[in-house]
Amino acid sequence: GAGVSQSPSNKVTEKGKDVELRCDPISGHTALYWYRQSLGQGLEFLIYFQGNSAPDKSGLPSDRFSAERTGGSVSTLTIQRTQQEDSAVYLCASSPRAQTYMNTEAFFGQGTRLTVV
Amino acid sequence: SQQGEEDPQALSIQEGENATMNCSYKTSINNLQWYRQNSGRGLVHLILIRSNEREKHSGRLRVTLDTSKKSSSLLITASRAADTASYFCASTGGFKTIFGAGTRLFVKA
Repeated sequence: GAGVSQSPSNKVTEKGKDVELRCDPISGHTALYWYRQSLGQGLEFLIYFQGNSAPDKSGLPSDRFSAERTGGSVSTLTIQRTQQEDSAVYLCASSPRAQTYMNTEAFFGQGTRLTVV
Repeated sequence: SQQGEEDPQALSIQEGENATMNCSYKTSINNLQWYRQNSGRGLVHLILIRSNEREKHSGRLRVTLDTSKKSSSLLITASRAADTASYFCASTGGFKTIFGAGTRLFVKA
């Protein structure tokens, strides 16, 4: 596709339910990132995928959060037993290669606004 | 906190004035980037400055980087109402890109 696509755009869920957020990166981009942004705040790093390497999960806030990336393309962020503090915009970004070494920008999707009621 | 820090948190100026935003980060970096965000959704990349560069220009944007002070600044010259947005710096070192808390810029017409 032309850009990073995230779905759904908005999600309202009841406390305790599980949710899945999807990210379709730009075709050919090997690096994929998930961030969380609470209202009026900066972006909080969650997880990073680079090619076939083991993901960097160091930003995941609890074991209720998990993510996978199938076939090096689409990624799914899963939040189990959602809590009200999970309410935020979840942003996905991709880049052609690891930003660190290639000094490339990240391309962001429009995010999924998650509201836990 | 994993976030860098930016100041000011909010800035309100008149159209035509210059806007300066500052950013500090915590670890050594390979590059620093500035992004713009409208309406709390997707971020758009503005400019990237590498760790061995001190200043970079792009149109009305000027970015400086001082690695000894672990700080960067973004200057927007001749601001326009359309520049109203949140601006974030993002420092990249290791495999993570860490974002600052952002500066909310409001340009009055």
